[in-house]
Amino acid sequence: DVKVTQSSRYLVKRTGEKVFLECVQDMDHENMFWYRQDPGLGLRLIYFSYDVKMKEKGDIPEGYSVSREKKERFSLILESASTNQTSMYLCASRSEDREKLFFGSGTQLSVL
Amino acid sequence: RKEVEQDPGPFNVPEGATVAFNCTYSNSASQSFFWYRQDCRKEPKLLMSVYSSGNEDGRFTAQLNRASQYISLLIRDSKLSDSATYLCVVNTNAGKSTFGDGTTLTVKP
Repeated sequence: DVKVTQSSRYLVKRTGEKVFLECVQDMDHENMFWYRQDPGLGLRLIYFSYDVKMKEKGDIPEGYSVSREKKERFSLILESASTNQTSMYLCASRSEDREKLFFGSGTQLSVL
Repeated sequence: RKEVEQDPGPFNVPEGATVAFNCTYSNSASQSFFWYRQDCRKEPKLLMSVYSSGNEDGRFTAQLNRASQYISLLIRDSKLSDSATYLCVVNTNAGKSTFGDGTTLTVKP
């Protein structure tokens, strides 16, 4: 089975801190995604990457950046965390045939 | 307008009922379509892909209407264990996977 691992299940940070959320997949997938999920708003795409060092903005990239230095790892960076970035963050990986997404178990980030 | 829109729900049905969820998408270049299931405090997991000819997996039937840009999910003989949020997902030719907001189903004894 594909495994997508997110480094932390729960994270508490202070406003203004730089935050790194890490995601690693073990199936050599080209495509990786970062979503955030908020009550009433569903899953919203922040950034995605279709190859090493390649990235594309999703629907809500403001306040975020990403890094894909190695194929298996896709990092989400909050340069200066704000309280409106408190959310559940979900990383996903997708097979080359553009079919199913495999998700990590999520990181619940609280920015105080 | 959202790229992917779903019935807002929630749906509360008795065990054994048949329930249908609908989803519309705005990008006519969308290439592939899926239903995911998400349990409370868990990550989404693929329930089934949706094919143009329609497809069935046990009690679940998915259909796609490209002309109307509409997909559906039918659940027959609902079980308590079907209680979850059902998410419609559309993949575009640009590589994005876009989710609907989800429809919450509660099956009651």
